[in-house]
Amino acid sequence: KQEVTQIPAALSVPEGENLVLNCSFTDSAIYNLQWFRQDPGKGLTSLLLIQSSQREQTSGRLNASLDKSSGRSTLYIAASQPGDSATYLCAATIWGSTLTFGKGTMLLVSP
Amino acid sequence: EAGVAQSPRYKIIEKRQSVAFWCNPISGHATLYWYQQILGQGPKLLIQFQNNGVVDDSQLPKDRFSAERLKGVDSTLKIQPAKLEDSAVYLCASSFPKTSPELFFGEGSRLTVL
Repeated sequence: KQEVTQIPAALSVPEGENLVLNCSFTDSAIYNLQWFRQDPGKGLTSLLLIQSSQREQTSGRLNASLDKSSGRSTLYIAASQPGDSATYLCAATIWGSTLTFGKGTMLLVSP
Repeated sequence: EAGVAQSPRYKIIEKRQSVAFWCNPISGHATLYWYQQILGQGPKLLIQFQNNGVVDDSQLPKDRFSAERLKGVDSTLKIQPAKLEDSAVYLCASSFPKTSPELFFGEGSRLTVL
């Protein structure tokens, strides 16, 4: 059974800092890994999707990497802004199964 | 492009009562998912539909939860009778796997059971 762990559970940084959110998974036979953002009281917004054949994906100030051999993914946020404050969730899909989510990292970026 | 629509956004009921949630996926999306998200946890899959057929309902508490997707478009998730531990946000998502495995989520329906 796939298990997904996210560290840290919460993170507080001043505006402008670069930061890294970590995600680890137990089953390396993943099909893809997705990063989502969730604002309070809202649904999930897809940020980046990395296929198993890819090493990383970039969108604006966000960069996500995937290392299947070590069972890890990282989400790098450059030049953080207060508007980046949200909970970030990673989810891994293994072949023949559906998404398994981590518990998320709650990010607070202060002005 | 319209997103995934869910209703109601909020519902408060007494335990042992029943409740139903509705979801309309993005037009053309063949796959529809219902997730349960308890406060402080990641979403947990309850049921996955491919068109109007069930792909995975292994984590659906079938003694009290039911879901249907008639005509392969919108879907209804029902809880009867509700328990205190059913208090959660119920998220609906859809995807079109032939083009992308990316999931698109609705805003969710928040259930409080008293």
